[in-house]
Amino acid sequence: AQSVAQPEDQVNVAEGNPLTVKCTYSVSGNPYLFWYVQYPNRGLQFLLKYITGDNLVKGSYGFEAEFNKSQTSFHLKKPSALVSDSALYFCAVRAYTGTASKLTFGTGTRLQVTL
Amino acid sequence: EAQVTQNPRYLITVTGKKLTVTCSQNMNHEYMSWYRQDPGLGLRQIYYSMNVEVTDKGDVPEGYKVSRKEKRNFPLILESPSPNQTSLYFCASSLKRLVDDTEAFFGQGTRLTVV
Repeated sequence: AQSVAQPEDQVNVAEGNPLTVKCTYSVSGNPYLFWYVQYPNRGLQFLLKYITGDNLVKGSYGFEAEFNKSQTSFHLKKPSALVSDSALYFCAVRAYTGTASKLTFGTGTRLQVTL
Repeated sequence: EAQVTQNPRYLITVTGKKLTVTCSQNMNHEYMSWYRQDPGLGLRQIYYSMNVEVTDKGDVPEGYKVSRKEKRNFPLILESPSPNQTSLYFCASSLKRLVDDTEAFFGQGTRLTVV
């Protein structure tokens, strides 16, 4: 069975500092990895995805993520955090289960960026 | 504008009173699914549909029903709601392709309280 782990419930960063939100995964076969962001009272918004190719993936709002196959990780990063980046971030993996393609989410990490 | 629309956004109901949460997408997506979001548990899939008249159980289907009579609509039905179904619900849709690289689009969520 596929699974996603986000080990930190919350990450606190000062504005202007780099941020990292961690994600590790477990899946049979090739992983298709995603990051979503959820702002208060909103649905999830797609940020970026890794399918194949370059291990560093660039996405929306200046975010990027690094795929590391040996460590089965897909950490979300941003060189300089903004207060407006404060939100709930979800890592997800999509894989074919034999009967259907399933998207499995982690438990989420709340990012708090302060001045 | 491409979107997934859920209604209602907020609902308070009493135990045992049947309710339906509607979901509609305008992107001609084949794949639709319902999730519930609970603190510390992330998003868990309730039901999904690969296409019209094709539905299947996700990870937490007990107490829920769905139907997919039209491609654009995927309502979630609670025949006899109970307090443990108090949660934030999201509908999502995506293209169904041979490669599992498609991102999901999410509705804005329905906050359900069962008293």
